[in-house]
Amino acid sequence: QITLKESGPTLVKPTQTLTLTCTFSGFSLSTRGVGVGWIRQPPGKALEWLALIYWNDDKRYGPSLKSRVTVTKDTSRNRVVLALTNMGPLDTATYYCAHIPTGDIAFDLWGQGTKVTVSS
Amino acid sequence: DIQMTQSPSSLSASVGDRVTITCRASQDISNWVAWYQQKPEKAPKSLIYAASSLQSGVPSRFSGSGSGTEFALTISSLQPEDFATYYCQQYNSYPLTFGGGTTVDIK
Repeated sequence: QITLKESGPTLVKPTQTLTLTCTFSGFSLSTRGVGVGWIRQPPGKALEWLALIYWNDDKRYGPSLKSRVTVTKDTSRNRVVLALTNMGPLDTATYYCAHIPTGDIAFDLWGQGTKVTVSS
Repeated sequence: DIQMTQSPSSLSASVGDRVTITCRASQDISNWVAWYQQKPEKAPKSLIYAASSLQSGVPSRFSGSGSGTEFALTISSLQPEDFATYYCQQYNSYPLTFGGGTTVDIK
């Protein structure tokens, strides 16, 4: 059974760097074709894809945050980390990580999400 | 970037109704579309991938169709647990993009 869970601060100050961890089980990020993505959702708004990382360390980023976002993986600890620099009020959102199965790029299973508020 | 335009943005329906939500891509994306269901304060749930393939465990009243630029999600007989917001997503090319969502509420 695949599960994913996001963790990190619920409140960050403007200009700080947000670091979120996605801890997963039920699959390995060393399996060919598998990936983990990050998606966020501001309050009352639609979903926005941020980044993803594949089993072979191939990384892709959404254009709106490309200069501010970094995604890394720790395969041995079953973790993926998202770092988002220079946080501002518009970055207030629920952040989700999600599993990408082999041979596809649609997200088949999602974590529960973690709410992040940016405020001084 | 490929834009995904969903319509309608919201609709009211009754239990038992047939409901169709459409999604239009700004360019040809073959069949690389997924559909998700999201209930308030919950994570999205995958329903459909590759335009028409049902995810494991998803009821058969959900179906997807389309190719190229026009796609649809149909619920054949709306059930109480189907009142939610639905999103389409294209994965033909990066950046991955989502539609704006369609909220289905009770008439």
